[in-house]
Amino acid sequence: GEDVEQSLFLSVREGDSSVINCTYTDSSSTYLYWYKQEPGAGLQLLTYIFSNMDMKQDQRLTVLLNKKDKHLSLRIADTQTGDSAIYFCAEISSYSGAGSYQLTFGKGTKLSVIP
Amino acid sequence: DTAVSQTPKYLVTQMGNDKSIKCEQNLGHDTMYWYKQDSKKFLKIMFSYNNKELIINETVPNRFSPKSPDKAHLNLHINSLELGDSAVYFCASSQDLTSGSPFTDTQYFGPGTRLTVL
Repeated sequence: GEDVEQSLFLSVREGDSSVINCTYTDSSSTYLYWYKQEPGAGLQLLTYIFSNMDMKQDQRLTVLLNKKDKHLSLRIADTQTGDSAIYFCAEISSYSGAGSYQLTFGKGTKLSVIP
Repeated sequence: DTAVSQTPKYLVTQMGNDKSIKCEQNLGHDTMYWYKQDSKKFLKIMFSYNNKELIINETVPNRFSPKSPDKAHLNLHINSLELGDSAVYFCASSQDLTSGSPFTDTQYFGPGTRLTVL
């Protein structure tokens, strides 16, 4: 079945760049997502990338997709203490447009930003 | 004004009971979702509804059933509760699931309902 893997923890110093990595197994993935969950809160969709793209940039966020290796990364430039959260990678596959698809989340990477 | 609300916030119950968690959104969104997050923060989407149609049903036990009386509500019914059902359940909504890419519309999450099964 589909599987999404992430490392569980990452620590960076404030002002440095953070890179959160994710690997997935389903080659039919159409969209890949990054969600952020702050302590005690629900999820917030940060960004997404379509599978025919290699890179997407949105302000401090850069998403890189290596479809051959099934590897997705999220780079946060100039990491701030407010970026401390759990980041979930997710993929959607088998999208038919007719309401038949699966959304699979990774286990989440806890980012700790050291002042 | 609360955008997505859930009740109750905390629910403690015995194994074998049947319980419901309610969710309401006042954003006029077309799509609502239920997510389960366990104690290790593992997150799983359970259901989503668009215009009263179930459009994703992950492999969750059929003891779980979503009920949508209208576009603004998506309630979660759980029968014969088990210890493993203990988790935080999040409700969410988004504008429109079908107008473009799936799950690319911003989702607005409720505060979560912490379910503890004893």
